[in-house]
Amino acid sequence: DTGVSQDPRHKITKRGQNVTFRCDPISEHNRLYWYRQTLGQGPEFLTYFQNEAQLEKSRLLSDRFSAERPKGSFSTLEIQRTEQGDSAMYLCASSPQTGNEQYFGPGTRLTVT
Amino acid sequence: GQNIDQPTEMTATEGAIVQINCTYQTSGFNGLFWYQQHAGEAPTFLSYNVLDGLEEKGRFSSFLSRSKGYSYLLLKELQMKDSASYLCAVRSNQAGTALIFGKGTTLSVSS
Repeated sequence: DTGVSQDPRHKITKRGQNVTFRCDPISEHNRLYWYRQTLGQGPEFLTYFQNEAQLEKSRLLSDRFSAERPKGSFSTLEIQRTEQGDSAMYLCASSPQTGNEQYFGPGTRLTVT
Repeated sequence: GQNIDQPTEMTATEGAIVQINCTYQTSGFNGLFWYQQHAGEAPTFLSYNVLDGLEEKGRFSSFLSRSKGYSYLLLKELQMKDSASYLCAVRSNQAGTALIFGKGTTLSVSS
């Protein structure tokens, strides 16, 4: 297993368009997290799944954001009607049921023009 | 509220020892983490403390004082490749839930 993977690595979109990102966690990791990171800041939590259930959502996750993990494996994060303020690195992380470490993927860098 | 403070930048020379401090105020506490992040890359896990005291792992050590809301990351025998951002993060709730990150400390190691 090569770790957490994310696709695409880079996305440039125009304001108002919808974008969708994919995260494939480490196999058998039942916990999956999405974070957003802007320049000079630490990652900010967006949402958390345990298996297919979305158990936590940050108030940062506005109505334009939606995340799914339909089969408890990969996850998608969709942003509708993108705004320039959505420009950031979107990080996915996973962790096993037992264990404290969260393993991060390489991220998807979103640029909204 | 939730607040995690760490210095913005630090500099050091190769072979030296550097200590990066982190103070936190969170509504609960269930572990403190240190991550390393090189520019343009994902954070990678360095250490985890949930009980008071020092955890040592090779050249890196991490200390926690829960009563003081304080932690530090100690890096020994610095190498150029240690130039990176070091992120302090707290898990304030039950195991498995989200981490609250500080803004990170950018460490520059010079020869």
